[in-house]
Amino acid sequence: NAGVMQNPRHLVRRRGQEARLRCSPMKGHSHVYWYRQLPEEGLKFMVYLQKENIIDESGMPKERFSAEFPKEGPSILRIQQVVRGDSAAYFCASSPPPGGRGTEAFFGQGTRLTVV
Amino acid sequence: AQTVTQSQPEMSVQEAETVTLSCTYDTSENNYYLFWYKQPPSRQMILVIRQEAYKQQNATENRFSVNFQKAAKSFSLKISDSQLGDTAMYFCAYYGNKLVFGAGTILRVKS
Repeated sequence: NAGVMQNPRHLVRRRGQEARLRCSPMKGHSHVYWYRQLPEEGLKFMVYLQKENIIDESGMPKERFSAEFPKEGPSILRIQQVVRGDSAAYFCASSPPPGGRGTEAFFGQGTRLTVV
Repeated sequence: AQTVTQSQPEMSVQEAETVTLSCTYDTSENNYYLFWYKQPPSRQMILVIRQEAYKQQNATENRFSVNFQKAAKSFSLKISDSQLGDTAMYFCAYYGNKLVFGAGTILRVKS
């Protein structure tokens, strides 16, 4: 049973380009979280999705950032017109629906985005 | 809304000694889970220990144990016989209808 897969592990973009970060949840997991982490800082919640539905996007910047989790395929975090301040590690976590036994979030290894 | 508070931004401990990391949370839910995650310099998130709110017995995993006080909404992590490899950032997390993390505590184990 493969873990949470994030790709790419490292992504370099020039200012103004688009960044697409992918997250494939663990098998059987229907819920995905995206977090952002700056060096030496904690995890900042961005968005919480289930398949074809955004549950909570209160941590997403209003502009340039979007996320989706389609019925088929990975969850995508998309950042348009990247700026240097978007440079960070982006982590994805997946979990089964909350409230059931065995509820636990598993993390991918993160994508380190560098904007040059 | 649920919140998780870790009041210790940084802590240090001598190798082989015991250290306790604090975590409090706020919720109106009755059924939930609590976790401690470890993030070493490699930045990978590793689950250290989990506690189900309906269980009164404190969870234990080898050198790691928790002190879960449901009424006080407190969930501290105790690391016994600290090792250099325990150096990491530790995150407390709450999972009810959503996964919420604390700000983290950087733990440095000194030789």
